[in-house]
Amino acid sequence: AQKVTQAQTEISVVEKEDVTLDCVYETRDTTYYLFWYKQPPSGELVFLIRRNSFDEQNEISGRYSWNFQKSTSSFNFTITASQVVDSAVYFCALIPNTGNQFYFGTGTSLTVIP
Amino acid sequence: GAGVSQTPSNKVTEKGKYVELRCDPISGHTALYWYRQSLGQGPEFLIYFQGTGAADDSGLPNDRFFAVRPEGSVSTLKIQRTERGDSAVYLCASSPTPPGLDPKGYNEQFFGPGTRLTVL
Repeated sequence: AQKVTQAQTEISVVEKEDVTLDCVYETRDTTYYLFWYKQPPSGELVFLIRRNSFDEQNEISGRYSWNFQKSTSSFNFTITASQVVDSAVYFCALIPNTGNQFYFGTGTSLTVIP
Repeated sequence: GAGVSQTPSNKVTEKGKYVELRCDPISGHTALYWYRQSLGQGPEFLIYFQGTGAADDSGLPNDRFFAVRPEGSVSTLKIQRTERGDSAVYLCASSPTPPGLDPKGYNEQFFGPGTRLTVL
């Protein structure tokens, strides 16, 4: 069975604060891929990052960073120095290598207050 | 290049009516997916096409839902006898390769903007 859990339903932070969005996943597949998507109010899912199950290196892209830990089945996402434009719903998703579909979490709604 | 497009962007219908939702995938993408996103939830898988055939329709909730992709490009999701519970955003995604055969191993799917269906 595949499952993605995003326990944080809503988060509010003040602009310039750092914020971490949690993602915990379950899978019996040995090869799988993890993704983060941003969904702004316009509704379109915007790709942020992908990670395969063999690569546990953390990644930084500008103000975004991701911490992948297989030992805890977590793939957390940190935004440094948050900005109002970061306000959106963020989804973590899992897809097994031979799977046909994404398994999405329920999303975390982030509001950055100016 | 052009991304995945979906029409209409919004559809309001009455309970019991029939609706069709259209998806134009990225040119050359062989795999096409439909998802449904209810308010406050993540997208949920409905059906996956490889070429013209439905390779996996395990996510379709019941036989009122049907999808086609007759020429291996554009796909139409059809909902008969709509119910209020069908109200959601219907997302389409496409991928250049079948699952598991992506040479980069990413299985990435490119999403369209969705069609917001409201059943009154």
